[in-house]
Amino acid sequence: GESVGLHLPTLSVQEGDNSIINCAYSNSASDYFIWYKQESGKGPQFIIDIRSNMDKRQGQRVTVLLNKTVKHLSLQIAATQPGDSAVYFCAENFTDKLIFGTGTRLQVFP
Amino acid sequence: GAGVSQTPSNKVTEKGKYVELRCDPISGHTALYWYRQSLGQGPEFLIYFQGTGAADDSGLPNDRFFAVRPEGSVSTLKIQRTERGDSAVYLCASSSEGGGLAGELFFGEGSRLTVL
Repeated sequence: GESVGLHLPTLSVQEGDNSIINCAYSNSASDYFIWYKQESGKGPQFIIDIRSNMDKRQGQRVTVLLNKTVKHLSLQIAATQPGDSAVYFCAENFTDKLIFGTGTRLQVFP
Repeated sequence: GAGVSQTPSNKVTEKGKYVELRCDPISGHTALYWYRQSLGQGPEFLIYFQGTGAADDSGLPNDRFFAVRPEGSVSTLKIQRTERGDSAVYLCASSSEGGGLAGELFFGEGSRLTVL
């Protein structure tokens, strides 16, 4: 299960493996979702987005899946690289502002 | 500049002092957002401007916090009578979308505030 506060959920993967990061969002009325990557000391950086009329969207090495029935998002990263190590946040657009989840730390080992 | 610029990058102040944090958004972006991020947590919404006006300030924690954007570009977040609990990274983001969030937010690198 997920923890809160200082103890981010952590996913550890070996370089070259695929990563799957999960997120539960809060509001059924949210119509737009974004995954952000945040490296230490930097602001969040856009990875991929998806609108609520879609259930899957693919980018370069990344895929986002949306399941509105259970209010669940996932981010899949193919062939994970050391440069993918960061904290990943999902965010939902609710009443014209992005609401962020707690985040998951991805650690990539050689 | 090419991205969202925030100054100062680091600010250390004493409890009870007044601080101002500045955000320079991407040129031409009409929407500007302030978020606060505590250690190990996701960014927390504070306030959102569309042009010069605050469209939503529901995230400001109390009346010690105030933000302005007088000319629809640069914004300043102002914190009065700072408390130790105000210590966090304050993030600014901008978007080209008008009339609400329909696209990506571009974030700055944040201003780290430490209240002693």
